[in-house]
Amino acid sequence: SQQGEEDPQALSIQEGENATMNCSYKTSINNLQWYRQNSGRGLVHLILIRSNEREKHSGRLRVTLDTSKKSSSLLITASRAADTASYFCATEHMDSSYKLIFGSGTRLLVRP
Amino acid sequence: SQTIHQWPATLVQPVGSPLSLECTVEGTSNPNLYWYRQAAGRGLQLLFYSVGIGQISSEVPQNLSASRPQDRQFILSSKKLLLSDSGFYLCAWSHSGGGYEQYFGPGTRLTVT
Repeated sequence: SQQGEEDPQALSIQEGENATMNCSYKTSINNLQWYRQNSGRGLVHLILIRSNEREKHSGRLRVTLDTSKKSSSLLITASRAADTASYFCATEHMDSSYKLIFGSGTRLLVRP
Repeated sequence: SQTIHQWPATLVQPVGSPLSLECTVEGTSNPNLYWYRQAAGRGLQLLFYSVGIGQISSEVPQNLSASRPQDRQFILSSKKLLLSDSGFYLCAWSHSGGGYEQYFGPGTRLTVT
C-alpha cells in the first residue's frame, strides 16, 4: 500500500508549545501535502511541498521533506487552542498523478 | 474565486434504499473532481475521481457509482445502500493535471439504518 502513516496518532499540548507531527510513505512521490480538518468539517489545504524541496514555511507552519527517508514533518509553532484539529498528510505518487493518498491523521488537542 | 458545494449535509437512509449525493464547483473550468469516504476517526479513502466529463475512475469496487454529467458537477450514487456505506462523504476538486492541492466541500454525513 502507498498509504502514508502519521505519527503520533494523537497529541495533547499546552497552548504556546510547539507541535510536531510526522508522516512516512513508501514509494516515490511528486509532492506531499498537509491538510487540516476540524471535527465534522471538510479538509483545508495547508502546505504543498514538492519532491525537490526540503523545507517550506507558511506563517506558524513549517514543513520538512526528506525523500531519502521517505518522511515529512509538520511543525506548528506557538500553538493556539484554535489549532485543535486533525492533521493529515497526503502524497501524490509518481506512478499515479491526479490522485492523493491520505494517511490516517494526527489528532491534535491544544489545551488553553 | 472558486467555491465547492455539497448537499445534503446529513442524510439518514434505510438499508436497500437508493442514494444520490451531488457536488458542484463554481469559478473554475475543467477541474479534476474527487469523491472520498471517511470512516469515524480515520483517514480518507478515495472512491472515484474524474479528469473530464464522462470520465470516471473507480478506486474501490463496491456498490457505489459516480457520474460527471457536466464539467463542474459530480454525482455519487447507489442503487441499494448497505450498512457499511455509512460514513462521511467528501467531494473535492483540483486544477486539471497533477501536482495541485485539493479543495474540499463541507461533506455529507450518511447514516444507513
